[in-house]
Amino acid sequence: RKEVEQDPGPFNVPEGATVAFNCTYSNSASQSFFWYRQDCRKEPKLLMSVYSSGNEDGRFTAQLNRASQYISLLIRDSKLSDSATYLCVVTSLIQGAQKLVFGQGTRLTINP
Amino acid sequence: GAGVSQSPRYKVAKRGQDVALRCDPISGHVSLFWYQQALGQGPEFLTYFQNEAQLDKSGLPSDRFFAERPEGSVSTLKIQRTQQEDSAVYLCASSLAGRGLFTGELFFGEGSRLTVL
Repeated sequence: RKEVEQDPGPFNVPEGATVAFNCTYSNSASQSFFWYRQDCRKEPKLLMSVYSSGNEDGRFTAQLNRASQYISLLIRDSKLSDSATYLCVVTSLIQGAQKLVFGQGTRLTINP
Repeated sequence: GAGVSQSPRYKVAKRGQDVALRCDPISGHVSLFWYQQALGQGPEFLTYFQNEAQLDKSGLPSDRFFAERPEGSVSTLKIQRTQQEDSAVYLCASSLAGRGLFTGELFFGEGSRLTVL
């Protein structure tokens, strides 16, 4: 089983729709959680951190459920520019060194 | 430039050839990571440096892979006797924070796309 698992999609949704992705992780000692965005043939870029209390950044809402070991990302009122691959990232501190593990990504296409 | 710079952007190698991929991180960044990304997959961890110290190389797939960061700045990932399964994008990322202080923001380079024929 992979340490971080995501539904690869693709998700095809109409502009203006709400879409949600989930990500599960297997290491209960994981400390920090993030969503990255990767456009086609580009490098990944940080979208937002994920906190236990949940956090919102404009149209994006991230949630963390430690008990069930999953993270979610909700995108409201989706725009064409939201089309990208969304990567779930989990970090753990192992022997003083940070280990960051990426999920395989969920591909999202917003259709006009 | 202000970002992470990687070279070459594209590399075509014949099977068995050695390759060297270079990463120039953001100036002053303590942490440097190498990732391998196959088509349709997420980045897979290869190795991590804090300054010049290689603290984690658990992700290197074989002893044909070697990375160094001798002066705590520029890093080189070397792949010896390349195989077709080494074809991927090799991403370098840096972070200002060091051990235990990581905030999660990695700054990635655009990657080096390696194709082994």
